[in-house]
Amino acid sequence: EPEVTQTPSHQVTQMGQEVILRCVPISNHLYFYWYRQILGQKVEFLVSFYNNEISEKSEIFDDQFSVERPDGSNFTLKIRSTKLEDSAMYFCASSGTGGLTTNEKLFFGSGTQLSVL
Amino acid sequence: AQSVTQPDIHITVSEGASLELRCNYSYGATPYLFWYVQSPGQGLQLLLKYFSGDTLVQGIKGFEAEFKRSQSSFNLRKPSVHWSDAAEYFCAVGGMAAGNKLTFGGGTRVLVKP
Repeated sequence: EPEVTQTPSHQVTQMGQEVILRCVPISNHLYFYWYRQILGQKVEFLVSFYNNEISEKSEIFDDQFSVERPDGSNFTLKIRSTKLEDSAMYFCASSGTGGLTTNEKLFFGSGTQLSVL
Repeated sequence: AQSVTQPDIHITVSEGASLELRCNYSYGATPYLFWYVQSPGQGLQLLLKYFSGDTLVQGIKGFEAEFKRSQSSFNLRKPSVHWSDAAEYFCAVGGMAAGNKLTFGGGTRVLVKP
């Protein structure tokens, strides 16, 4: 089965530093997403991205966050100035041509565990 | 706003016994419902999904789920649990009104006793 790949699997950073989390979605997918899971809490939607722009974002996704598809294969999440509360597992996901409003399957990566010290 | 409740935080079941995980949702239109499993150190793997049609949905690894609109439920079942089923299970809801996002429940951690 095709896979979404995330790197690194773990990242430790100091508060106030910028981090970039990287994802390689499935090659023919058009919709890309970031979710996060703070330890002991629910998996939360952050942002969806389609046609080189954000299609939806949650309240969590404030000005400290940005996403980019710098080339034909990578999809990145940048946190400009990390806070302690940004510590979480960040999941990248992708889906096919119709997105989730059609009968599409959402594929998740294995996540990047971000620890902000 | 949509929401998902998984009432059981932990469930312990003996190997070979049956398993049922509860999921209740709140959604203002026809829901799309999903069950995902997360093994330690792994990502979220889709077990099954309901979009329309038959309300009893078969998934991978011997799991099934039944959509009951009248009860706003989408409970997951497996007749005979294997030790490898020990994991965390998440129910999620989406749909046309939700756009391209899923709302997840808090998860149920399943422990399997030998």
